[in-house]
Amino acid sequence: AQTVTQSQPEMSVQEAETVTLSCTYDTSESDYYLFWYKQPPSRQMILVIRQEAYKQQNATENRFSVNFQKAAKSFSLKISDSQLGDAAMYFCAGSQGAQKLVFGQGTRLTINP
Amino acid sequence: DADVTQTPRNRITKTGKRIMLECSQTKGHDRMYWYRQDPGLGLRLIYYSFDVKDINKGEISDGYSVSRQAQAKFSLSLESAIPNQTALYFCATSEAPGGSGANVLTFGAGSRLTVL
Repeated sequence: AQTVTQSQPEMSVQEAETVTLSCTYDTSESDYYLFWYKQPPSRQMILVIRQEAYKQQNATENRFSVNFQKAAKSFSLKISDSQLGDAAMYFCAGSQGAQKLVFGQGTRLTINP
Repeated sequence: DADVTQTPRNRITKTGKRIMLECSQTKGHDRMYWYRQDPGLGLRLIYYSFDVKDINKGEISDGYSVSRQAQAKFSLSLESAIPNQTALYFCATSEAPGGSGANVLTFGAGSRLTVL
């Protein structure tokens, strides 16, 4: 069974600085996808970024990028130039092939002005 | 209108009552899911359906049942609600395998349920 672990319940960063959120996963599959979702106070779940395991290149979406270390089973999210609107719960998730997503416990990110 | 609509958005009920949470989608996706969110536990899968005739239990299905009335509708029922079912419930949809959006979940806005 796949497991996803986020070991940082809370993180904080100064506005305009860079922050990295950690995630580790465990799977025996070779075909899987990894995701970061954001949940702002509105509680809506919003996809931030997606990584296909077969791709060597780390995914990027504007100020958001991942560091995908396949051998270490690590999938961290880097947020550059942090903005107040980035304050949210962030969930790491993984899916095996075309199956269902498994989520981590979440990391609450606070942005200090 | 939202792609995935959940009703009700908030509900307070009493122990022992039957509760139904409804979900409808306009995405045209075959796959639908119900997740439960609790603080410190993330989102956990309750039930999922890959098409109208396919319904599967997730990791925490005890105390819940579901009905896939149509491709666009997937409801979650608590037959006899108990306080530890107090949580935020999410419905989500995804494409079938092969599409560019495969595995990407589109979520509803959530239904907050409080069981007293």
